[in-house]
Amino acid sequence: GAVVSQHPSWVICKSGTSVKIECRSLDFQATTMFWYRQFPKQSLMLMATSNEGSKATYEQGVEKDKFLINHASLTLSTLTVTSAHPEDSSFYICSASRGVNSPLHFGNGTRLTVT
Amino acid sequence: AQTVTQSQPEMSVQEAETVTLSCTYDTSESDYYLFWYKQPPSRQMILVIRQEAYKQQNATENRFSVNFQKAAKSFSLKISDSQLGDAAMYFCAYRLNTGTASKLTFGTGTRLQVTL
Repeated sequence: GAVVSQHPSWVICKSGTSVKIECRSLDFQATTMFWYRQFPKQSLMLMATSNEGSKATYEQGVEKDKFLINHASLTLSTLTVTSAHPEDSSFYICSASRGVNSPLHFGNGTRLTVT
Repeated sequence: AQTVTQSQPEMSVQEAETVTLSCTYDTSESDYYLFWYKQPPSRQMILVIRQEAYKQQNATENRFSVNFQKAAKSFSLKISDSQLGDAAMYFCAYRLNTGTASKLTFGTGTRLQVTL
């Protein structure tokens, strides 16, 4: 079956630094990937839609200059949290679909802690 | 905008019994998909079942089945013969069929406890 790999699974960084999270589709090409954020005991909230070869589409209220998304190839999308602050501490999950009528497959998520 | 509502923050069921999780959604579209995802403590999102809106027949996957009421915009999940491994957060989700890969909109989730 389709597999989506996300790395790292957890990261601790100091306030003010940047962190990059990778999302890879291992056995299929994904022109579109999605980045979600999940705060403790809450649901998954879509942050942005990552499109291969073009700019990401951000949801309302998500700062595009803070959460940089790069989708440089059909199998890799990256999310960079720039100048991280403690309030950015959260669980970040990516997802991708093999095709139009295929379900979304999720990475294992990245737990980010900003100290 | 589409919204998904799960009115039960927590549910509990005894092992081997049956439980139903509720979900309602709001959309003006007619062609869409509905899903139930399970999120165990590992936080991995696991697809439980999916329903295509243009199919009247309710989807079934082993012990999991749905009651899809399109007119009422209701999509409940029934878990039969509950097992300890079913304990998790369950999220109902909606996805518009746009002809391209489209986003999922999630409900707030229901935490299911399974007791002995």
